[in-house]
Parts: sequence; structure tokens; C-alpha cells
Amino acid sequence: ETGVTQSPTHLIKTRGQQVTLRCSSQSGHNTVSWYQQALGQGPQFIFQYYREEENGRGNFPPRFSGLQFPNYSSELNVNALELDDSALYLCASSTGQTSSGANVLTFGAGSRLTVL
Amino acid sequence: AQSVTQLGSHVSVSEGALVLLRCNYSSSVPPYLFWYVQYPNQGLQLLLKYTTGATLVKGINGFEAEFKKSETSFHLTKPSAHMSDAAEYFCAVTSPGGGTSYGKLTFGQGTILTVHP
Repeated sequence: ETGVTQSPTHLIKTRGQQVTLRCSSQSGHNTVSWYQQALGQGPQFIFQYYREEENGRGNFPPRFSGLQFPNYSSELNVNALELDDSALYLCASSTGQTSSGANVLTFGAGSRLTVL
Repeated sequence: AQSVTQLGSHVSVSEGALVLLRCNYSSSVPPYLFWYVQYPNQGLQLLLKYTTGATLVKGINGFEAEFKKSETSFHLTKPSAHMSDAAEYFCAVTSPGGGTSYGKLTFGQGTILTVHP
């Protein structure tokens, strides 16, 4: 089974631009969560998508938005980029089921965004 | 609101020595607790988790953690460190709320473990 894949792995943008990051979830997973990991910090929860609907959001402004597609892949969009948006963006997928053994998060390797 | 505090941003041990990484949490409801490991240029990998039941949890690579409600702690230990254990470790918490709650984690700041020969 394939794991979680993210693209691009690295990208550089300038302030005010917009960026789209992509995530392919692990086969059989219908839930995708996005996290922002600034340098030297732990990951921070941005939002989660379950069956194409947003299902929970962290403390991030509306310029952070997302989509989940019928094949459960996902996109993270960030508008009006700021310097502080420079970070590693992690995508994680799971089954979203209640069985405690079934819904462990599988993380991708991340997309490293640098905003100049 | 939930929070996680990891005591010590850097821990250094000798190969073969005990590894102890500290984690304290704050939660208004019984928590689910996790330890993840992150190797350079990689995503996070689950080491172990506590949901309900036995408070001593065993994970992969010889790691274990004990949930102590009275101390609001979930410290990670390994009896004998190996060079391959060098990585960054994150403690995380979420609250029970159906299966999708596993995706909404609050992480600590991380602890970088260095293992000396």
C-alpha cells in the first residue's frame, strides 16, 4: 500500500503571493489533516477534511483554505502569503473510524515553504 | 483547551543509557496521548499511543510510556539507547470524540534526542 505523498517538496514564494500544496492520502483513508510546523516548533493543526467536508479547524485565518476531492486527496491553499507562513506543511491521513487501532495518522514528508 | 509541555528541548545520552523524555499535558477531559518521532527530512511516525485501559503502553523500537493521571504526565522511556534513536520526538494530545478526533492533535514543542557513542 502506498503512503501519504505531498507535492511539491520545496517551494519559494514572495510575500502577497498565493500557494497550493497537494496531498495524496494513503489508500483506504478518507480523512486528511493538515499541520504547519515552523522551524523549531511542534506541528500546529490547521484543519481536517472528512469525506470532502471540513471537520475541524485550528487557530488559522481564513486565508488558509482547503479542499478534499472524491478520491480523498487534498489541497491546502494559502492566500496573501506572509513571512511567518514559512514552514513545513504536513499532511496526514487516517480512516476516521472509531476503532482505536484503525485510525492512526499516517504523515507525509511535508512541503517546505519559504516566503521571501 | 488542551496543551502539551515537553521538558527539555534537547536531551543527550550515551549509547546504552536510559532514555527519558518528559511530557506533561493539560486537558479538561480524559485525553488520548501520543508520542511521534521525526527523522530529518521525514514526516512523523507514531511510536505509541494511550487511549484507554492499561496505563503502561509499549510501542515500536523498544519505547514505552506510562500515563499518570495524577501527575498529568506521559513520559517516554527506553531502557537502552541506540544510535538510530537520534531524532526529534513529539508528544501530542487529543480528546475522544469519534474516530476523526485522532486527526486533531495538539503537539508539544519537541525534544531533540542526541545519542553519543
